[in-house]
Amino acid sequence: SQKIEQNSEALNIQEGKTATLTCNYTNYSPAYLQWYRQDPGRGPVFLLLIRENEKEKRKERLKVTFDTTLKQSLFHITASQPADSATYLCALERTDKLIFGTGTRLQVFP
Amino acid sequence: DSGVTQTPKHLITATGQRVTLRCSPRSGDLSVYWYQQSLDQGLQFLIQYYNGEERAKGNILERFSAQQFPDLHSELNLSSLELGDSALYFCASSVASSDDTQYFGPGTRLTVL
Repeated sequence: SQKIEQNSEALNIQEGKTATLTCNYTNYSPAYLQWYRQDPGRGPVFLLLIRENEKEKRKERLKVTFDTTLKQSLFHITASQPADSATYLCALERTDKLIFGTGTRLQVFP
Repeated sequence: DSGVTQTPKHLITATGQRVTLRCSPRSGDLSVYWYQQSLDQGLQFLIQYYNGEERAKGNILERFSAQQFPDLHSELNLSSLELGDSALYFCASSVASSDDTQYFGPGTRLTVL
């Protein structure tokens, strides 16, 4: 069955550094992958979508890569700020449904 | 504010009971999705409706059912509730298909005692 792995441990980084979050998947080749941000007690907020024929996508301080050979997506936040602290979820397309990973909690400290 | 509304915000009920969660999608969105989020399971896709018709189904229990009405709002019905059904239930909407941006509502926190 489809398995999506995100770092279960929290990622703690210093303000100004680049945060890199990993999403690995097995047993499937999704047509696209999405990244969401979720704050405690709130609904996820869409950040970026990357398709299987795209290697990289950028939006302001965010960058996503998609390596279909490694079955991995990397999510980067450059010049991180304390306001970036949240849980970040990756979601893979599977037969027109979105399958979410369990998320990685990012903590940016001053 | 995503434009998706969900009511109620909180719901506390007892085992064996039945509840209805309501969702109003963003204006213009035809697809509605329901998700369940619990601490140990993460965000789980339950079901999708598109313009009134069921389009995709996830791991939705037989005790759960949903529908989308002509005005495009949706309801998720949970019956014979068990302790394990306690979770956050999110509704999301998109223009049409799942590769469109999904906009999530604020969720309904269900507590089954």
